[in-house]
Amino acid sequence: SSELTQDPAVSVALGQTVRITCQGDSLRSYYASWYQQKPGQAPVLVIYGKNNRPSGIPDRFSGSSSGNTASLTITGAQAEDEADYYCNSRDSSGNHPHWVFGGGTKLTVL
Amino acid sequence: EVQLVQSGAEVKKPGESLRISCKGSGYSFTSYWISWVRQMPGKGLEWMGRIDPSDSYTNYSPSFQGHVTISADKSISTAYLQWSSLKASDTAMYYCARQFLGSTGQGLDYWGQGTLVTVSS
Repeated sequence: SSELTQDPAVSVALGQTVRITCQGDSLRSYYASWYQQKPGQAPVLVIYGKNNRPSGIPDRFSGSSSGNTASLTITGAQAEDEADYYCNSRDSSGNHPHWVFGGGTKLTVL
Repeated sequence: EVQLVQSGAEVKKPGESLRISCKGSGYSFTSYWISWVRQMPGKGLEWMGRIDPSDSYTNYSPSFQGHVTISADKSISTAYLQWSSLKASDTAMYYCARQFLGSTGQGLDYWGQGTLVTVSS
């Protein structure tokens, strides 16, 4: 399958922990990367690989993977974490490599 | 400082051609791929394709293969996305992004500011 499936919306109380998931067959073979996008801004890479954060990304962001599911966890969500989150991975179908994004999850911090 | 600077907003008519650009600076342009990502109004991100500027090898999403062309001129550290005949459905924000692929994973670590393309009669 060339699809990555995300829940459209998730909410979390301020300071609590939230997990955003991404499902797809390709995740059995390839790690996902995760992106945060706030309104009117370009996306920002927050997690890549097994669980790697680019410089400048707070350590409350972490990633994990099991089977066909990749997860982004925010431990102690802050108001500024309210955004859309997208997973991305290499697609395992077809003869030519390409990448796909999940449909995105809108995170609301209450 | 790594930067990807994209060309400005465009307003075009259906059937017209268009090429938008993405200029990289602050790093070795030929050491990383450049990917293009579409975001239609109010919608999610879509990976369109990528180019290796060192040899201009490209991969496209099946959804965009044949509809757009990605190219690069490594002498001026610039990648391009072009259409030969625009449609109203091409109206979107287009981002370029630097794509890395290594032993620790892959990702799009630097993004351009986006180019808004509006196609309307």
